[in-house]
Amino acid sequence: EDQVTQSPEALRLQEGESSSLNCSYTVSGLRGLFWYRQDPGKGPEFLFTLYSAGEEKEKERLKATLTKKESFLHITAPKPEDSATYLCAVQLKNTGNQFYFGTGTSLTVIP
Amino acid sequence: GAGVSQSPSNKVTEKGKDVELRCDPISGHTALYWYRQRLGQGLEFLIYFQGNSAPDKSGLPSDRFSAERTGESVSTLTIQRTQQEDSAVYLCASSLATSGGARQETQYFGPGTRLLVL
Repeated sequence: EDQVTQSPEALRLQEGESSSLNCSYTVSGLRGLFWYRQDPGKGPEFLFTLYSAGEEKEKERLKATLTKKESFLHITAPKPEDSATYLCAVQLKNTGNQFYFGTGTSLTVIP
Repeated sequence: GAGVSQSPSNKVTEKGKDVELRCDPISGHTALYWYRQRLGQGLEFLIYFQGNSAPDKSGLPSDRFSAERTGESVSTLTIQRTQQEDSAVYLCASSLATSGGARQETQYFGPGTRLLVL
C-alpha cells in the first residue's frame, strides 16, 4: 500500500538551532514530491516541488532534498515565524491526479 | 491575483442536515481538488475535477458526499444527512493541469471550511 510518513510528529527548536524534517514514502512510481507549510486555521501554502532523486530546492532558510525513498526539509537558523506544520505530499505516475499527504510535522521555534 | 476562496469559513450544523460548501478556484486553473482534514490527521483526497473530463470521485467516503463543478469555475461539495464524523476542515485546491505525460502543476489551497456537526 502506498504510504507517506513524516517524522518527527512535533519538533521544538531554539531560535537559530538548525534541524531537518523527514518525509519517507513507499510508493511505486513517484511523479513528484511536494512540501507545504500550514499555519493554524489556514490552508496549506506551497513551498517546493521535487521530481527526481538528487534534486534540491532552496527558499530563504529552507532547503528540500529528495532521494529515492525520502525527502528532507532542512531548516537553517530558524526563526519564530517559521513555526508551522510542514506537510509533504507525493504524486504518483499512475494516478497523477491524486496526491497522498503525510500527517505533517508541527514545528515550534522558541525565541 | 486572487487566490482560491472558500465559503463559508465556518459552518455549524445539526446531525442529519445537509450542507453545501463552495470553492472559487484561481482564474484559469482547470484542475480542482477537494480534501478533508480531520483534526490531527493528514489531508484526505475526496474528488478531482479536470476541465470537462469526468471527475475522479474515488475518494468520496460515502454516497452522502457529492460535488459539482460548473465548467472551469466554481465547485460545490454537498454533504447530505451529516454525521458527527463529518466534522473536519474541508479544503479546496486548484492547479493548472497539463495534458497527460507532462508534469502536474502545483496545487494552491484555499483557507478551508471548518465544519462542525453537532
